Amino acid sequence: NAGVTQTPKFRILKIGQSMTLQCTQDMNHNYMYWYRQDPGMGLKLIYYSVGAGITDKGEVPNGYNVSRSTTEDFPLRLELAAPSQTSVYFCASNDPSTRIHEQYFGPGTRLTVT
Amino acid sequence: AQSVSQHNHHVILSEAASLELGCNYSYGGTVNLFWYVQYPGQHLQLLLKYFSGDPLVKGIKGFEAEFIKSKFSFNLRKPSVQWSDTAEYFCAVNARGNAGNMLTFGGGTRLMVKP
Repeated sequence: NAGVTQTPKFRILKIGQSMTLQCTQDMNHNYMYWYRQDPGMGLKLIYYSVGAGITDKGEVPNGYNVSRSTTEDFPLRLELAAPSQTSVYFCASNDPSTRIHEQYFGPGTRLTVT
Repeated sequence: AQSVSQHNHHVILSEAASLELGCNYSYGGTVNLFWYVQYPGQHLQLLLKYFSGDPLVKGIKGFEAEFIKSKFSFNLRKPSVQWSDTAEYFCAVNARGNAGNMLTFGGGTRLMVKP
């Protein structure tokens, strides 16, 4: 299994541009998550999904959108990029049928908005 | 809503020194507790977890953590660190039964081990 994969690894955007961060998992996990990681702030949850067709906001959803048309894919969309969205973005997935609820993380996408 | 505090933002140790990283959480209900590690340039990996039972849990690479319910703490320890332990460490809490199995993370502790 590849686990959780994310593309691209790096991206530089100009203010106002849009882009989609891709996330795919091959573990048949129903639950998926998007986090952003900023220095000294830990990880903040942007959006999450408990299954195909179901998404919900996390702690910091403003400026982002998600969709979940399949179990495997959970793309994150930035419509109008702003400098405040410069961050490292991590996707994660989880199998809720396990007792331990461990989340599996992708390698991250480092985004710079200038 | 729960929150997680990691009081040490940066720690510098020499090899063979002992390590203890603090983690406190605020939540009145039952929790699952985790420590994740992020080595330079890599993604987060699970170091250890507490779900129930023995409050002293052992993880990979010689790490352990102790859950003290009365103190709302889950401190990470290692008796003798190595240079390869240089990484950022995150404590995380999952409120038992929350709808999305969501984790709340602390701000992280950046550990540097000098050879």
